[in-house]
Amino acid sequence: EPEVTQTPSHQVTQMGQEVILRCVPISNHLYFYWYRQILGQKVEFLVSFYNNEISEKSEIFDDQFSVERPDGSNFTLKIRSTKLEDSAMYFCASSEMGGEGNEQFFGPGTRLTVL
Amino acid sequence: QKEVEQNSGPLSVPEGAIASLNCTYSDRVSQSFFWYRQYSGKSPELIMSIYSNGDKEDGRFTAQLNKASQYVSLLIRDSQPSDSATYLCAGTTGGGADGLTFGKGTHLIIQP
Repeated sequence: EPEVTQTPSHQVTQMGQEVILRCVPISNHLYFYWYRQILGQKVEFLVSFYNNEISEKSEIFDDQFSVERPDGSNFTLKIRSTKLEDSAMYFCASSEMGGEGNEQFFGPGTRLTVL
Repeated sequence: QKEVEQNSGPLSVPEGAIASLNCTYSDRVSQSFFWYRQYSGKSPELIMSIYSNGDKEDGRFTAQLNKASQYVSLLIRDSQPSDSATYLCAGTTGGGADGLTFGKGTHLIIQP
């Protein structure tokens, strides 16, 4: 069964450093998403991406964040200058359709630890 | 008003019984609804989606949506210990590449 994959599973970085989290969405899916979950808190939407551009973003997704689809399979989230409060699980998700059929399938996540 | 609200639990249910999980939502996230299961330290796993009023059944799971009351529920029949997890309710506004708005989740414990 096709699934979303993410690398690395765990990333440790120093405050102020740049990190890139990588995702390979399900191959026939057209919509891509990033979410984060701070330990013990709810899953929060960051950004959605369709047709090679950002479709929607939350207030969390400020100028330190960017997303890119560098080739036909990868989808990345870059955090330019990490802060302690960026420590969280980051989940990538993808869906085949938008609108009402927007069933999103999540990858296993990357645990980001900022020291 | 929070956009998606759930009772955090824990909800304890005997094995073999029906577990009933509830969720209310605000006007903004009023189009499509999803139930996810999340085991500790793992990612959300999609269980059910529901878009229109009424019931939708899939195996041991039934999702119910009542748009007039802004209420969505998930019933799990014949509960198994492996059903013990946190159940996340999520909604969208229904447009395009919509981000999901999640509730905090209900922690379900199935007692053997």
